[in-house]
Amino acid sequence: DAGVIQSPRHEVTEMGQEVTLRCKPISGHNSLFWYRQTMMRGLELLIYFNNNVPIDDSGMPEDRFSAKMPNASFSTLKIQPSEPRDSAVYFCASSLDRGLNTEAFFGQGTRLTVV
Amino acid sequence: KQEVTQIPAALSVPEGENLVLNCSFTDSAIYNLQWFRQDPGKGLTSLLLIQSSQREQTSGRLNASLDKSSGRSTLYIAASQPGDSATYLCAVPFYNQGGKLIFGQGTELSVKP
Repeated sequence: DAGVIQSPRHEVTEMGQEVTLRCKPISGHNSLFWYRQTMMRGLELLIYFNNNVPIDDSGMPEDRFSAKMPNASFSTLKIQPSEPRDSAVYFCASSLDRGLNTEAFFGQGTRLTVV
Repeated sequence: KQEVTQIPAALSVPEGENLVLNCSFTDSAIYNLQWFRQDPGKGLTSLLLIQSSQREQTSGRLNASLDKSSGRSTLYIAASQPGDSATYLCAVPFYNQGGKLIFGQGTELSVKP
């Protein structure tokens, strides 16, 4: 398996524009996590899905953020409208189950810059 | 609030030295504890996962221990090499948070040749 695949790797956009980040989890994994990493706040969990259903979205900062998982092999994280403070690296991770004695595997991340 | 803390934030050692990285967590009701490595500009690579029922795990020069009762884990790196330079993060899924991984802030390790 190629691991967790995220796209794009880098995104530069203007404030106010819509941004969509994409993630393909490892085949067979039924838990998917979206994290945001900044120097100030470290790694923060935004949302996670189990069997395509959002389980906990308490980390989603504002209504401008939304995430979907239409099927077991694809998820999106959308920011609309984007703001400069959204600039960060966004990671997607997957695991066989939601933390129950299984490892989480991370993608390479999407570095988002909002100017 | 359940938290994960890593000390020190940064560590610099000469090549060949054995070293210990520390991770503490505020609640012993955890599923497991996982150590990751992150190289600059890269994603996270899983190093070791210790089940809640285990005391330690080993992989090559790495040894991770877990003491749930005291809320602590250590990552021991033997005979450090410059290639070990990276940020090391520990992460814990707490029972009453539905298993979501909570991360420490990481320890940035620099091994000097």
